[in-house]
Amino acid sequence: QQPVQSPQAVILREGEDAVINCSSSKALYSVHWYRQKHGEAPVFLMILLKGGEQKGHEKISASFNEKKQQSSLYLTASQLSYSGTYFCGRSSGDKLTFGTGTRLAVRP
Amino acid sequence: DAGVIQSPRHEVTEMGQEVTLRCKPISGHNSLFWYRQTMMRGLELLIYFNNNVPIDDSGMPEDRFSAKMPNASFSTLKIQPSEPRDSAVYFCASSLVALAGSTDTQYFGPGTRLTVL
Repeated sequence: QQPVQSPQAVILREGEDAVINCSSSKALYSVHWYRQKHGEAPVFLMILLKGGEQKGHEKISASFNEKKQQSSLYLTASQLSYSGTYFCGRSSGDKLTFGTGTRLAVRP
Repeated sequence: DAGVIQSPRHEVTEMGQEVTLRCKPISGHNSLFWYRQTMMRGLELLIYFNNNVPIDDSGMPEDRFSAKMPNASFSTLKIQPSEPRDSAVYFCASSLVALAGSTDTQYFGPGTRLTVL
């Protein structure tokens, strides 16, 4: 069963902030975040390996709560280039199970 | 260094025909993954290989699908016979897994958009 992401879609004005949530019914040992622009392949953003760990990529950061089996992606001062679909991935041994995805559109 | 290479980029075929998708992983990577992406089902893992050996094919939809990795630099995904419901974007991804049982960064190819009429 794939992780569930919320919201399903969000529209922002340039400069606004957003939070994308990822919730898993199965244990989360590590969480991966990817971004996919329209018509392109998913691109890796970051991995969170420990509960409570926060990592950053540009003005994008993430947290991971192992006990709650949740992860959140924080986009600060969004830019037009942030538009795309964001996927979390639940790690199970050697493979990833990707979440349902969140479509993000940033408008000028 | 070249990324993951997939061919063809687009494939249009008729129902019942055989389709073969190809993938060349990043040199030195030891894991290879085949995914299928559709609007309805999202990004699904079909099968993955480690050191050219199939590890988990539980995501392969049915016997019409098969995948091979004859060497470290080449893999194929075959659908025979193809059906309209197989229409999707198929991605290949590769990874360098440093520790057995762990998951590392996956690098995706550009994908093959398959349309079965």
